[in-house]
Amino acid sequence: GAGVSQTPSNKVTEKGKYVELRCDPISGHTALYWYRQSLGQGPEFLIYFQGTGAADDSGLPNDRFFAVRPEGSVSTLKIQRTERGDSAVYLCASSATGAADTQYFGPGTRLTVL
Amino acid sequence: GENVEQHPSTLSVQEGDSAVIKCTYSDSASNYFPWYKQELGKRPQLIIDIRSNVGEKKDQRIAVTLNKTAKHFSLHITETQPEDSAVYFCAASRRTDKLIFGTGTRLQVFP
Repeated sequence: GAGVSQTPSNKVTEKGKYVELRCDPISGHTALYWYRQSLGQGPEFLIYFQGTGAADDSGLPNDRFFAVRPEGSVSTLKIQRTERGDSAVYLCASSATGAADTQYFGPGTRLTVL
Repeated sequence: GENVEQHPSTLSVQEGDSAVIKCTYSDSASNYFPWYKQELGKRPQLIIDIRSNVGEKKDQRIAVTLNKTAKHFSLHITETQPEDSAVYFCAASRRTDKLIFGTGTRLQVFP
């Protein structure tokens, strides 16, 4: 079946602009995670959804970052007033129930802030 | 806070040799320990995982061991092949919680 997909694959924007990154999880997966991966580093947790609600948003770096999952499937990560330090690969993962289940990753969106 | 340390950062082996990567975690409540392989420009892919009620798990050339008392877990790859070359990440999590990743090990297997 289809895996986790993310769009766009690449996004170049200017400092101060607003961006939206989209994640389509594996069908039926209730848990969805966003991570950020900087060059040469491991993925860093941002936010976790169980169904429609954010169960843990402790990894969001500041209030410029926000994510939604209104129908419990697709999720959108929103970044306001982008800064050059936001440049990274944003990875989405989903798992069947979230209870120590395997997390399957999408291909990521490479965000570059000029 | 929660932390996972991973060593070594780079590892070079001859084809056919074994490779071992070690991780230490700080959160004693962690109970799930996956290992991911990431090729350049690609998504992380799960290669093996272990849960806290098991001390060792093996899948063909790959094995993982867990020592909960010492909060250590290790990845063992035997009979390495050039296609094993990639960056490997360990991770730890609590039930239903986010994954805390190590800093990665770049494995190079020379023919």
